[in-house]
Amino acid sequence: DIQMTQSPSTLSASVGDTVTITCRASQSISTFLNWYQQRPGKAPNLLIYAASFLQSGVPSRFSGSGSGTDFSLTIHSLQPEDFATYYCQQTYSTLWTFGQGTKVEIK
Amino acid sequence: QVTLKESGPVLVRPTETLTLSCTVSGFSLNSARMGVTWIRQPPGKALEWLAHIFSNDESSPSTSLKSRITISKDTSNSQVVLTMTNMDPVDTATYYCARITRLYGGAVYYSDYWGLGTLVTVSS
Repeated sequence: DIQMTQSPSTLSASVGDTVTITCRASQSISTFLNWYQQRPGKAPNLLIYAASFLQSGVPSRFSGSGSGTDFSLTIHSLQPEDFATYYCQQTYSTLWTFGQGTKVEIK
Repeated sequence: QVTLKESGPVLVRPTETLTLSCTVSGFSLNSARMGVTWIRQPPGKALEWLAHIFSNDESSPSTSLKSRITISKDTSNSQVVLTMTNMDPVDTATYYCARITRLYGGAVYYSDYWGLGTLVTVSS
């Protein structure tokens, strides 16, 4: 199975900051990479698909980039509602896998 | 309006078989562009992909759970069913179903609508 490794595991930031989360695949996955946000007690919410495409309704402060094995999710000007856990997911192989998550917490 | 709703037991005994249903509305399980996936999340831990199924019954289970998991669909009732045998306390988790949208002839997949999830506890 393709392993997905996110870093950091936890990120402390303030409202208004710009933060970047990275996701590394154990083999090349082209751009078959999605990002999800999960707030406590809620189901995940799709932010970015195919590495860089913003899902409809998602604020433009979220952006994704990368291809091959290295990907990133950037959040510009953090808002209070952005403090949550973020997951990457690869759909390159028929056996999908998630990263272990990155928690963005208030500094 | 697209909705998905998970249903099933909240408590399962060790060694028993878990059967969960995902009832969908707002889209068809016959659509070539759609599928349904199951994901679980143990308390305080990360998401774990379990399986998915598409309109042509093409399905894939997780490698680590392949011997225990079956996924099927009942198109007439708009349901996708996940069964997991030989349940263990480590299987305690919130189980989510989600819609899969696929684009570009199946090259791009993502889960754009999710159910609220159902917490299943495995305990004697």
